[in-house]
Amino acid sequence: AQSVTQPDIHITVSEGASLELRCNYSYGATPYLFWYVQSPGQGLQLLLKYFSGDTLVQGIKGFEAEFKRSQSSFNLRKPSVHWSDAAEYFCAVGSKAAGNKLTFGGGTRVLVKP
Amino acid sequence: DAGVTQSPTHLIKTRGQQVTLRCSPKSGHDTVSWYQQALGQGPQFIFQYYEEEERQRGNFPDRFSGHQFPNYSSELNVNALLLGDSALYLCASSLFSGSETQYFGPGTRLLVL
Repeated sequence: AQSVTQPDIHITVSEGASLELRCNYSYGATPYLFWYVQSPGQGLQLLLKYFSGDTLVQGIKGFEAEFKRSQSSFNLRKPSVHWSDAAEYFCAVGSKAAGNKLTFGGGTRVLVKP
Repeated sequence: DAGVTQSPTHLIKTRGQQVTLRCSPKSGHDTVSWYQQALGQGPQFIFQYYEEEERQRGNFPDRFSGHQFPNYSSELNVNALLLGDSALYLCASSLFSGSETQYFGPGTRLLVL
């Protein structure tokens, strides 16, 4: 069965500082990995995705993530955080074998200090 | 190009009632998946529809049912509502044979009193 763990429930970061959100997954086959962002009361917006190939993927809003198969991780990073990045971030895993079903982590809430 | 749309945006029901939520997929998409997001949690997969059939189902009781129409839009029905059904219900669309990326709508927030 698929599972996703986001170890950090809350992270507070100063504006302009770097941000790293952790994601660990458990899945037997080759996973598809995603990061979504959710602003309060909103739906989910796709930040980036990994299917295959280059393990460092670039996304929207200056985010990037690195797939490390040996560590079963897909951590999200941003070099310099803006106040508008305050939101909840979800890591998700899917696969062709799972028929597009996504399994989400519990989310990490990011607070940005001025 | 319209994205995924959902209606209504908010809904208040009482225990035991029935509710229907609606979703229109992104243009060109043929698959609709439904997720339940309880407060403070990540979304959980309810089921997925393709070619008007339920293709996959998560760990949800039979009180949760759905339908997909020929134009690919979809409905989620919940019968005999419980307080624990209060949540944000998210619809996502994708291509069944495509790149597996799911695009989400804004959600319907259901409150059961």
